[in-house]
Amino acid sequence: AAGVIQSPRHLIKEKRETATLKCYPIPRHDTVYWYQQGPGQDPQFLISFYEKMQSDKGSIPDRFSAQQFSDYHSELNMSSLELGDSALYFCASSLSSRGASPLHFGNGTRLTVT
Amino acid sequence: DQQVKQNSPSLSVQEGRISILNCDYTNSMFDYFLWYKKYPAEGPTFLISISSIKDKNEDGRFTVFLNKSAKHLSLHIVPSQPGDSAVYFCAARNTNAGKSTFGDGTTLTVKP
Repeated sequence: AAGVIQSPRHLIKEKRETATLKCYPIPRHDTVYWYQQGPGQDPQFLISFYEKMQSDKGSIPDRFSAQQFSDYHSELNMSSLELGDSALYFCASSLSSRGASPLHFGNGTRLTVT
Repeated sequence: DQQVKQNSPSLSVQEGRISILNCDYTNSMFDYFLWYKKYPAEGPTFLISISSIKDKNEDGRFTVFLNKSAKHLSLHIVPSQPGDSAVYFCAARNTNAGKSTFGDGTTLTVKP
Protein backbone atom coordinates (compact mmCIF):
# COMPACT_ATOMS: atom_id res chain seq x y z
CA ALA A 1 0.00 0.00 0.00
CA ALA A 2 1.18 3.53 -0.74
CA GLY A 3 2.61 5.37 2.23
CA VAL A 4 3.46 8.96 3.02
CA ILE A 5 6.51 10.02 1.05
CA GLN A 6 8.88 12.63 2.36
CA SER A 7 11.80 14.18 0.58
CA PRO A 8 14.63 14.56 1.03
CA ARG A 9 15.49 11.95 3.65
CA HIS A 10 18.51 13.89 4.79
CA LEU A 11 19.37 17.56 4.45
CA ILE A 12 22.40 19.48 5.64
CA LYS A 13 22.25 23.25 5.69
CA GLU A 14 24.26 26.05 7.19
CA LYS A 15 22.99 28.66 9.63
CA ARG A 16 20.87 31.37 8.02
CA GLU A 17 20.19 29.25 4.94
CA THR A 18 16.74 28.14 3.84
CA ALA A 19 15.34 24.64 3.46
CA THR A 20 12.24 23.16 1.83
CA LEU A 21 10.83 19.84 2.94
CA LYS A 22 8.27 18.04 0.82
CA CYS A 23 5.51 15.64 1.76
CA TYR A 24 3.30 13.51 -0.45
CA PRO A 25 0.32 12.12 1.49
CA ILE A 26 -1.36 8.79 1.02
CA PRO A 27 -3.75 8.98 -1.96
CA ARG A 28 -7.21 10.27 -0.99
CA HIS A 29 -5.93 11.62 2.32
CA ASP A 30 -6.97 15.25 2.52
CA THR A 31 -5.15 16.30 5.69
CA VAL A 32 -1.43 16.77 6.20
CA TYR A 33 0.39 17.34 9.49
CA TRP A 34 3.95 18.43 10.18
CA TYR A 35 5.78 17.37 13.34
CA GLN A 36 9.27 18.19 14.60
CA GLN A 37 11.14 15.69 16.75
CA GLY A 38 14.33 16.79 18.47
CA PRO A 39 16.84 14.25 19.86
CA GLY A 40 15.27 12.27 22.70
CA GLN A 41 12.04 14.24 22.48
CA ASP A 42 8.48 13.49 21.51
CA PRO A 43 7.14 14.70 18.18
CA GLN A 44 5.99 18.31 18.49
CA PHE A 45 3.09 19.41 16.32
CA LEU A 46 3.93 22.28 13.99
CA ILE A 47 1.02 22.82 11.62
CA SER A 48 -1.67 21.01 9.65
CA PHE A 49 -3.66 21.53 6.47
CA TYR A 50 -7.07 20.27 5.46
CA GLU A 51 -8.21 20.66 1.88
CA LYS A 52 -5.36 23.12 1.20
CA MET A 53 -6.32 25.39 4.10
CA GLN A 54 -4.44 25.66 7.37
CA SER A 55 -6.47 23.75 9.95
CA ASP A 56 -4.34 23.85 13.09
CA LYS A 57 -1.21 25.61 14.22
CA GLY A 58 1.18 24.47 16.88
CA SER A 59 4.66 25.51 17.90
CA ILE A 60 5.80 26.57 14.46
CA PRO A 61 8.33 29.42 14.46
CA ASP A 62 7.56 32.52 12.41
CA ARG A 63 10.60 31.67 10.29
CA PHE A 64 8.77 28.61 9.03
CA SER A 65 5.86 28.52 6.64
CA ALA A 66 3.96 25.72 4.98
CA GLN A 67 1.30 25.15 2.44
CA GLN A 68 -0.72 22.39 0.87
CA PHE A 69 -1.09 22.33 -2.90
CA SER A 70 -3.94 21.34 -5.17
CA ASP A 71 -2.57 17.79 -5.47
CA TYR A 72 -2.55 17.65 -1.63
CA HIS A 73 1.19 17.50 -1.31
CA SER A 74 2.65 19.86 1.25
CA GLU A 75 5.88 21.79 1.62
CA LEU A 76 7.47 23.13 4.79
CA ASN A 77 9.68 26.13 4.12
CA MET A 78 12.25 27.03 6.72
CA SER A 79 14.23 30.25 6.54
CA SER A 80 17.06 31.79 8.56
CA LEU A 81 17.93 28.35 9.83
CA GLU A 82 19.33 28.06 13.35
CA LEU A 83 21.35 25.29 14.95
CA GLY A 84 18.33 24.43 17.10
CA ASP A 85 16.31 23.62 13.99
CA SER A 86 18.31 20.41 13.61
CA ALA A 87 15.73 17.68 14.09
CA LEU A 88 13.72 14.97 12.44
CA TYR A 89 10.73 16.43 10.62
CA PHE A 90 7.80 14.11 10.13
CA CYS A 91 4.88 14.56 7.83
CA ALA A 92 1.70 12.61 8.42
CA SER A 93 -1.56 12.35 6.56
CA SER A 94 -5.07 11.27 7.46
CA LEU A 95 -8.45 10.90 5.85
CA SER A 96 -9.86 13.84 7.74
CA SER A 97 -8.72 16.49 10.15
CA ARG A 98 -11.66 15.67 12.39
CA GLY A 99 -12.98 12.45 13.73
CA ALA A 100 -11.34 9.19 14.70
CA SER A 101 -8.82 8.92 11.90
CA PRO A 102 -5.26 7.86 12.72
CA LEU A 103 -2.24 9.62 11.33
CA HIS A 104 0.00 7.81 8.92
CA PHE A 105 3.56 9.01 9.09
CA GLY A 106 6.33 9.26 6.55
CA ASN A 107 9.88 8.21 7.42
CA GLY A 108 10.88 11.79 8.09
CA THR A 109 13.49 14.25 6.87
CA ARG A 110 16.55 14.59 9.04
CA LEU A 111 17.68 18.20 8.94
CA THR A 112 21.13 19.07 10.20
CA VAL A 113 22.04 22.72 10.53
CA THR A 114 25.76 23.42 10.86
CA ASP B 1 2.43 21.96 30.18
CA GLN B 2 2.77 18.41 28.91
CA GLN B 3 -0.71 17.09 28.28
CA VAL B 4 0.32 13.54 27.46
CA LYS B 5 2.90 11.79 29.62
CA GLN B 6 4.62 8.46 29.44
CA ASN B 7 6.45 8.22 32.74
CA SER B 8 8.55 5.17 31.90
CA PRO B 9 11.25 6.01 29.37
CA SER B 10 12.13 2.33 28.98
CA LEU B 11 10.78 -1.14 29.62
CA SER B 12 12.46 -4.51 29.29
CA VAL B 13 10.54 -7.80 29.20
CA GLN B 14 11.26 -11.41 28.37
CA GLU B 15 9.96 -12.92 25.16
CA GLY B 16 6.54 -14.52 25.68
CA ARG B 17 5.68 -12.35 28.69
CA ILE B 18 3.29 -9.43 28.81
CA SER B 19 4.46 -5.89 28.08
CA ILE B 20 2.45 -3.10 29.67
CA LEU B 21 3.06 0.45 28.53
CA ASN B 22 1.38 3.28 30.37
CA CYS B 23 0.23 6.76 29.44
CA ASP B 24 -1.44 9.56 31.38
CA TYR B 25 -3.16 12.64 30.05
CA THR B 26 -4.45 15.83 31.59
CA ASN B 27 -6.76 17.33 28.97
CA SER B 28 -10.31 16.13 29.58
CA MET B 29 -11.25 17.26 26.06
CA PHE B 30 -9.26 14.38 24.54
CA ASP B 31 -11.66 11.77 23.23
CA TYR B 32 -9.51 9.65 20.95
CA PHE B 33 -6.32 7.89 21.93
CA LEU B 34 -3.73 6.15 19.81
CA TRP B 35 -0.57 4.13 20.16
CA TYR B 36 2.23 4.36 17.63
CA LYS B 37 5.30 2.22 17.27
CA LYS B 38 8.55 3.62 15.95
CA TYR B 39 11.64 1.83 14.71
CA PRO B 40 14.92 3.72 14.23
CA ALA B 41 15.12 5.66 10.94
CA GLU B 42 11.40 5.21 10.31
CA GLY B 43 8.34 7.30 11.02
CA PRO B 44 5.85 6.31 13.73
CA THR B 45 3.48 3.57 12.64
CA PHE B 46 -0.12 3.51 13.84
CA LEU B 47 -0.75 0.50 16.05
CA ILE B 48 -4.11 0.69 17.77
CA SER B 49 -6.60 3.30 18.94
CA ILE B 50 -9.50 3.69 21.31
CA SER B 51 -12.39 6.10 21.47
CA SER B 52 -13.40 7.59 24.80
CA ILE B 53 -16.75 5.79 24.60
CA LYS B 54 -14.93 2.49 25.08
CA ASP B 55 -12.73 1.16 27.84
CA LYS B 56 -11.02 -1.58 25.88
CA ASN B 57 -10.00 -2.28 22.31
CA GLU B 58 -8.25 -5.43 21.21
CA ASP B 59 -6.38 -6.25 18.01
CA GLY B 60 -4.50 -9.52 18.01
CA ARG B 61 -1.71 -9.38 20.55
CA PHE B 62 -2.38 -5.73 21.30
CA THR B 63 -5.00 -4.43 23.72
CA VAL B 64 -5.50 -0.85 24.78
CA PHE B 65 -7.31 -0.05 28.02
CA LEU B 66 -8.75 3.35 28.83
CA ASN B 67 -9.62 4.57 32.32
CA LYS B 68 -11.27 7.94 31.75
CA SER B 69 -11.76 8.77 35.41
CA ALA B 70 -8.04 8.32 36.02
CA LYS B 71 -7.11 9.86 32.64
CA HIS B 72 -4.94 6.84 32.05
CA LEU B 73 -4.48 4.41 29.22
CA SER B 74 -2.28 1.41 28.78
CA LEU B 75 -1.12 -0.83 25.96
CA HIS B 76 -0.79 -4.54 26.64
CA ILE B 77 1.23 -6.75 24.32
CA VAL B 78 0.75 -10.46 24.87
CA PRO B 79 2.84 -12.43 24.16
CA SER B 80 5.74 -10.07 23.61
CA GLN B 81 8.08 -10.86 20.73
CA PRO B 82 11.61 -9.59 20.00
CA GLY B 83 10.24 -7.82 16.91
CA ASP B 84 8.11 -5.68 19.23
CA SER B 85 11.27 -3.94 20.42
CA ALA B 86 10.74 -0.30 19.43
CA VAL B 87 9.77 3.08 20.82
CA TYR B 88 6.06 3.29 21.62
CA PHE B 89 4.32 6.66 21.57
CA CYS B 90 0.98 7.37 23.15
CA ALA B 91 -1.05 10.12 21.44
CA ALA B 92 -4.32 11.84 22.24
CA ARG B 93 -6.59 14.18 20.40
CA ASN B 94 -9.91 15.90 20.51
CA THR B 95 -11.71 14.69 17.41
CA ASN B 96 -13.07 18.21 16.88
CA ALA B 97 -9.64 19.79 17.02
CA GLY B 98 -7.58 17.67 14.64
CA LYS B 99 -4.03 17.65 15.92
CA SER B 100 -2.64 14.80 17.97
CA THR B 101 -0.52 15.41 21.07
CA PHE B 102 2.22 12.89 21.69
CA GLY B 103 3.88 11.56 24.81
CA ASP B 104 7.66 11.27 25.19
CA GLY B 105 7.73 7.63 24.19
CA THR B 106 8.72 4.42 25.96
CA THR B 107 11.49 2.25 24.58
CA LEU B 108 10.45 -1.39 24.79
CA THR B 109 13.08 -4.10 24.64
CA VAL B 110 11.90 -7.68 24.36
CA LYS B 111 14.67 -10.12 25.19
CA PRO B 112 14.76 -13.54 23.51
